Amino acid sequence: EDQVTQSPEALRLQEGESSSLNCSYTVSGLRGLFWYRQDPGKGPEFLFTLYSAGEEKEKERLKATLTKKESFLHITAPKPEDSATYLCAVYAYRGGSEKLVFGKGTKLTVNP
Amino acid sequence: NAGVTQTPKFQVLKTGQSMTLQCAQDMNHEYMSWYRQDPGMGLRLIHYSVGAGITDQGEVPNGYNVSRSTTEDFPLRLLSAAPSQTSVYFCASSTRDTPQYFGPGTRLTVT
Repeated sequence: EDQVTQSPEALRLQEGESSSLNCSYTVSGLRGLFWYRQDPGKGPEFLFTLYSAGEEKEKERLKATLTKKESFLHITAPKPEDSATYLCAVYAYRGGSEKLVFGKGTKLTVNP
Repeated sequence: NAGVTQTPKFQVLKTGQSMTLQCAQDMNHEYMSWYRQDPGMGLRLIHYSVGAGITDQGEVPNGYNVSRSTTEDFPLRLLSAAPSQTSVYFCASSTRDTPQYFGPGTRLTVT
């Protein structure tokens, strides 16, 4: 079955300490990989879409990259306001039709 | 644009009660979906719609009904609430070529 796995489950960083979050996927024919940010008590907020291996997207301190089997969300010099849960999702075939399947997320905490 | 709106924000039900979670979008998106989010389980698709009058089941449809009479609205009905339906519910909308945009969620507790 098509799968989306995120690691680590939780990550604690000091302000300014760069790191990366991982999203590995197994789908037949990628039609887009999506990154979302979710703050406590709120709905997921769209960050990036990546379509093909080698593609990169950037927004402020975040950069998302894509290979044939995984995506990375690189966080450069994070600030406390970057603390959130980061979700990735891909379109996958489930029950005979294509649906968006989410990983369980990485909870990022950035300490001042 | 208000985007995707959901009501109510919070709801407490007793086992066996029924209720409808409301979802509306003003972006003229043809696709709409309902998800539930539980600790350690991630977002799971309940039902979705690819246009007015067309709905289909997601991964966890049991105990929920949907209908889509207009492009803007996609209500989710709980027919007979059970404690296992305690969760946070999110509605999302998109076109085929855009990412899904999510509402703020409804936190439901069934006692």
